[in-house]
Amino acid sequence: GIQVEQSPPDLILQEGANSTLRCNFSDSVNNLQWFHQNPWGQLINLFYIPSGTKQNGRLSATTVATERYSLLYISSSQTTDSGVYFCAVGDMEYGNKLVFGAGTILRVKS
Amino acid sequence: KAGVTQTPRYLIKTRGQQVTLSCSPISGHRSVSWYQQTPGQGLQFLFEYFSETQRNKGNFPGRFSGRQFSNSRSEMNVSTLELGDSALYLCASSSGTEGGIQYFGAGTRLSVL
Repeated sequence: GIQVEQSPPDLILQEGANSTLRCNFSDSVNNLQWFHQNPWGQLINLFYIPSGTKQNGRLSATTVATERYSLLYISSSQTTDSGVYFCAVGDMEYGNKLVFGAGTILRVKS
Repeated sequence: KAGVTQTPRYLIKTRGQQVTLSCSPISGHRSVSWYQQTPGQGLQFLFEYFSETQRNKGNFPGRFSGRQFSNSRSEMNVSTLELGDSALYLCASSSGTEGGIQYFGAGTRLSVL
């Protein structure tokens, strides 16, 4: 089945710094979503981005489907950005099945 | 419009018992998927229901089952609970179009003692 790798696994930033999270996947996908998991466990949608580039405030994402990777950029990080970020891709052989990466734990210090 | 609603939010059971979790999708959505999250295995796909039919299934034992009703609400059942079933169970709602955006509920945290 499709494999998803996220890097780095852990990231510690000073407030105000910028960061880039990476997601590599092993096969063609029909979906790619970035999520932020809040402390209570809910997965908050950040981007639906099977290809191209999107921006939402301080966050932006780029997916290069032909090269099988996606990047999530966080600029001017804030302590509220702390948490776990997941990349999930849609496995084309299984309809709506999402395959998740292991996540990146982000800690932003004030 | 209302988001994805999962009930209950927390549950404590003992080994050997069974449990039923509920998920109400976003109004108009016809697909509900279930995922299990554990510290050791991460987020894993359990199954997807679309128009009352199981459309896809992950690699979980038969103790894990589900169903979907005509109003698209879905239930997931785990029988003969084991300690390893302790996890956060998340459901996702989507329109049903393959590759479409999925929205997650807040989850049910199950503890098996």
